[in-house]
Amino acid sequence: GESVGLHLPTLSVQEGDNSIINCAYSNSASDYFIWYKQESGKGPQFIIDIRSNMDKRQGQRVTVLLNKTVKHLSLQIAATQPGDSAVYFCAANNDMRFGAGTRLTVKP
Amino acid sequence: GAVVSQHPSWVICKSGTSVKIECRSLDFQATTMFWYRQFPKQSLMLMATSNEGSKATYEQGVEKDKFLINHASLTLSTLTVTSAHPEDSSFYICSALGTDFRLTNEKLFFGSGTQLSVL
Repeated sequence: GESVGLHLPTLSVQEGDNSIINCAYSNSASDYFIWYKQESGKGPQFIIDIRSNMDKRQGQRVTVLLNKTVKHLSLQIAATQPGDSAVYFCAANNDMRFGAGTRLTVKP
Repeated sequence: GAVVSQHPSWVICKSGTSVKIECRSLDFQATTMFWYRQFPKQSLMLMATSNEGSKATYEQGVEKDKFLINHASLTLSTLTVTSAHPEDSSFYICSALGTDFRLTNEKLFFGSGTQLSVL
C-alpha cells in the first residue's frame, strides 16, 4: 500500500486564524489524494480530494495544495472555528492504511 | 451522498461473550469493506479487508478466529468479536468502497464507529 505520513501530530490555533496541516507521501505514482476529518467518538468524514493533474483545489473554507515535486500535500482551513477541532488524516490512492493523523485544537 | 451505517454505536459485554457489529452501505453497493480498530488518541489500524462472497483478508497480527468477518451481500459486512476480553475494548470502525464511480467517486465512506467495552 501507499506510505503516507504526517509531519506534525498536534496543531493548536486561535479561533479565526488559518490552519495548515501537512502530509507527505512516498510513492511518486500516487495520483489521488483525500483528506478526512475525524471528530472524537465518530468515524472519519471526507473533506476534500485532489487528483495529481491539479496542484490546488478549493472547497468551502478548505483548500488542498499538492506539490508532486516534493511529494507533499497540505490542507488549509480558513478562519478556523471550534467545530474544526478534530484529527485530520490524509490518504493516497485510497490506501486503507492511515498515518497517525494531526490533532487540530482550536482555542476560543 | 453515500452513507455507511454502523450498528451498534456502543456495546458493553461480559468477558467471554461474543459481539457482532454490522456495517451497511445504505445507498450504494460496496464490494469491498474494511474494518479498523482505534485506541484512544491513536490512528486507525486496519484489521481486515472484506470482499463480498469471499473470505476476508486479515492484516498481520490480527487473529481471524477472534475477529470473524462475513460479507454476505453487497451492502452488509459483519464483524464478530468472539470470546471478548477486556483487551478487545476499543473503537471499531468500518468503511466501504463504492462500485459506482459516478456516485462514490472512488472515495472510502466510513461508518460512525462502535465503542466496545468488555468488562
